[in-house]
Amino acid sequence: DTGVSQNPRHKITKRGQNVTFRCDPISEHNRLYWYRQTLGQGPEFLTYFQNEAQLEKSRLLSDRFSAERPKGSFSTLEIQRTEQGDSAMYLCASSSDLTRSYEQYFGPGTRLTVT
Amino acid sequence: GQQVMQIPQYQHVQEGEDFTTYCNSSTTLSNIQWYKQRPGGHPVFLIQLVKSGEVKKQKRLTFQFGEAKKNSSLHITATQTTDVGTYFCAGPGAGNNRKLIWGLGTSLAVNP
Repeated sequence: DTGVSQNPRHKITKRGQNVTFRCDPISEHNRLYWYRQTLGQGPEFLTYFQNEAQLEKSRLLSDRFSAERPKGSFSTLEIQRTEQGDSAMYLCASSSDLTRSYEQYFGPGTRLTVT
Repeated sequence: GQQVMQIPQYQHVQEGEDFTTYCNSSTTLSNIQWYKQRPGGHPVFLIQLVKSGEVKKQKRLTFQFGEAKKNSSLHITATQTTDVGTYFCAGPGAGNNRKLIWGLGTSLAVNP
């Protein structure tokens, strides 16, 4: 078990460019979550997958954000036409329905800086 | 909408002093979880409380879940520099998606 991994760890991009992040959850976990975190704040929910189905998307998420989990394993989060306000840490977490616990396991995050 | 609030936002203590952070939900929770995030790190699961009035201990950390299942607390006895970080509580949102609603966290600084 290698835990949740995310790539890249850091991304610097110019405003208006598109970026894509990848998350590899713990292999047997069927649930996958994307969060955004800015300094001094708690994780802010973006979207959630159960297997390959995207079951919920935050109303805060603009149409520039899209996420996929095509085979129910890894997931990608794409931000189109990035804006400076998109600068944040993007966290991925996974969990399993096989446990009664709701605990989520987080990856190290991708820090996005939009210049 | 459902909210989870934490106080205090920041706490600065001398090493060896005790520390407590409080978490309050606007709705009754089926369970509450606590996470710790070290500076520059990601949230790490500490514990989940499920039963009304439940108390759990992890070494110097004591977690409580209120009788009404709307509030919780984390108490650290005799803080150490390794306790530095932000402590978040989180409760499940409405529905069956296991989405967590997070508090803003309490940042703990410990002076050696």
